[in-house]
Amino acid sequence: DVKVTQSSRYLVKRTGEKVFLECVQDMDHENMFWYRQDPGLGLRLIYFSYDVKMKEKGDIPEGYSVSREKKERFSLILESASTNQTSMYLCASSLLAGGGLRYEQFFGPGTRLTVL
Amino acid sequence: GDSVTQMEGPVTLSEEAFLTINCTYTATGYPSLFWYVQYPGEGLQLLLKATKADDKGSNKGFEATYRKETTSFHLEKGSVQVSDSAVYFCALIPYSGAGSYQLTFGKGTKLSVIP
Repeated sequence: DVKVTQSSRYLVKRTGEKVFLECVQDMDHENMFWYRQDPGLGLRLIYFSYDVKMKEKGDIPEGYSVSREKKERFSLILESASTNQTSMYLCASSLLAGGGLRYEQFFGPGTRLTVL
Repeated sequence: GDSVTQMEGPVTLSEEAFLTINCTYTATGYPSLFWYVQYPGEGLQLLLKATKADDKGSNKGFEATYRKETTSFHLEKGSVQVSDSAVYFCALIPYSGAGSYQLTFGKGTKLSVIP
């Protein structure tokens, strides 16, 4: 079974703090993703990565950065946390598409971040 | 661009009732289609999938059939249980060549099943 783990289930930070959210997957997946989930807005893609050191902006990258130094690990960084970044953050991973196949994403349990 | 529209919730059903959650999509070509489920306080789990027209995905008593002619992927279950209470998301990955892997989600439908 694919396992995607996130470093914290709940996190409380103060405005202006630098925040690191860590995600690790154990199935050698090429792709990794960070989403945020808000009531009424559904899931929105922040960043994704299709290889080590490679990253692409998603729909809402402003205020976030990412790091992928190893294949199994994908970090989301809030350089200076703000209250509007209070949200549920979900990490996911998948195999790289190819040969007409599109692979499903596997999700971690989520990190509920509160910024005070 | 690609989009997924699913019925607004919340949906409240009695135990053993029949469930349908409607999902329609807009995409070019033949996207892959998915249903994910999110139980309270947890991440998303893949419930079922279909990768080509007329495919039927099924899991845990849930079913959905990929209908190209109506661009739909409706989720059904014959007899719901209290443990099915969750939020259900319809999603697609477009078919647009190599490297196509970004999921487009619907807004989610919250299901509550009462005893």
